[in-house]
Amino acid sequence: DAGVTQSPTHLIKTRGQQVTLRCSPKSGHDTVSWYQQALGQGPQFIFQYYEEEERQRGNFPDRFSGHQFPNYSSELNVNALLLGDSALYLCASSSMRQGQETQYFGPGTRLLVL
Amino acid sequence: SQQGEEDPQALSIQEGENATMNCSYKTSINNLQWYRQNSGRGLVHLILIRSNEREKHSGRLRVTLDTSKKSSSLLITASRAADTASYFCATDARSYGKLTFGQGTILTVHP
Repeated sequence: DAGVTQSPTHLIKTRGQQVTLRCSPKSGHDTVSWYQQALGQGPQFIFQYYEEEERQRGNFPDRFSGHQFPNYSSELNVNALLLGDSALYLCASSSMRQGQETQYFGPGTRLLVL
Repeated sequence: SQQGEEDPQALSIQEGENATMNCSYKTSINNLQWYRQNSGRGLVHLILIRSNEREKHSGRLRVTLDTSKKSSSLLITASRAADTASYFCATDARSYGKLTFGQGTILTVHP
């Protein structure tokens, strides 16, 4: 049973560029949440997707957008990258339909913006 | 913004000793979850405790929750060098909702 997978593992971009990060949830999970973790900090919630819709959103600007596909996988898009967007981006999955509250995290994508 | 405050920020102990980490939060919750993170990689789920529970055990882990004080503690008994990691508490104000993390406790266990 594969856990949560994320791609790519590392990414280097320059200011102003756009980036797309990908996440496949744990088998049987239907809900995907994205988090940003700056160095030395705890993760901060970006948004959550369920049934292909954004259900909740944290305090992140509209430059951060996402999508969930019919197979429950998800993408996080960040436009007009800033230096401050450098962080570890974590994806977590759970299952609302099965009543599983525990969120399982992927290994993350480390983004460096130069 | 971070809801939780973990205490201490760093903890250094010898193998075989117990490690206790505390977490305080500000708003009412549905559940509280503890996670471990090794070297800036993904978070590993340790234990979930619901707001109507007071204590849970899992192997060498014991978690308590005091909703009147809005606090939780994680006890790791008989620690091992492999327990060296950052530990985070995360609160969920509603089921399947967003997790709000604290700053974490860095635990170092010396062989």
